[in-house]
Amino acid sequence: AAGVIQSPRHLIKEKRETATLKCYPIPRHDTVYWYQQGPGQDPQFLISFYEKMQSDKGSIPDRFSAQQFSDYHSELNMSSLELGDSALYFCASSYRGGGQEKLFFGSGTQLSVL
Amino acid sequence: DAKTTQPPSMDCAEGRAANLPCNHSTISGNEYVYWYRQIHSQGPQYIIHGLKNNETNEMASLIITEDRKSSTLILPHATLRDTAVYYCIVRVVDMRFGAGTRLTVKP
Repeated sequence: AAGVIQSPRHLIKEKRETATLKCYPIPRHDTVYWYQQGPGQDPQFLISFYEKMQSDKGSIPDRFSAQQFSDYHSELNMSSLELGDSALYFCASSYRGGGQEKLFFGSGTQLSVL
Repeated sequence: DAKTTQPPSMDCAEGRAANLPCNHSTISGNEYVYWYRQIHSQGPQYIIHGLKNNETNEMASLIITEDRKSSTLILPHATLRDTAVYYCIVRVVDMRFGAGTRLTVKP
C-alpha cells in the first residue's frame, strides 16, 4: 500500500539559509499535518491543511510557512534557519472526510543546521 | 483539546500483557481517545481509538472508563518490538502529542 512520502530524507543547511521540505500524502487523503521533533523531545504540531486550506496552527515560527497544493502534496518552507531548527520533521496525512481520522506518518526529514 | 497525563516510563516482561494508563479528566463529550506509538525516531504509528465503548483490533485493546476520564491501552502479549513511546491523545480535530509513556519490553 502507498505510504506518505517525504523528501528529502536528510538535509544539511547553514545558518540563515532556506530549506523546503516536501510531503506527498497517501492517495485520496485530504489532510496533511506537519510536526517537528527535536532530539529527545515529543513531536510538536506545527500546522495542518484540510482540502488545501490551513486547518490549524501550532507552534510554527513566523520564519516558516507551508501550503498544500492542488494535488494535495504539501511543502514546508523554512527561512533564516537557526541552529535550533535542527530536528526531525514529520508529515502525516489522513482522510478527514469520514469523521474519525487516523494519521499516517512519513519517515521524516532529518534537518541539520550547521 | 483536553490534556492527558501518562506515566513517563513502564517496563513489561516479554509475553505478558502491557497495560498503559492515561488520564484525561477534562475530556469533552465529542473528543475521541487516540493512541499512537513511536519506535525510535520512526514516524508515529496509529494503534487504536475510541469514543466511549471499549475497542479491540489486531494490535491492541482500548478500555475507556464509564466517565471517560481515563483509559488503558492493553497490548495482550508484548514483544521486544513493542518497545516504544506510547502517546495517548484526546482530540476533536487536530492531533497534538503530549508527553507519552516509554514502554520497555524486557526478555
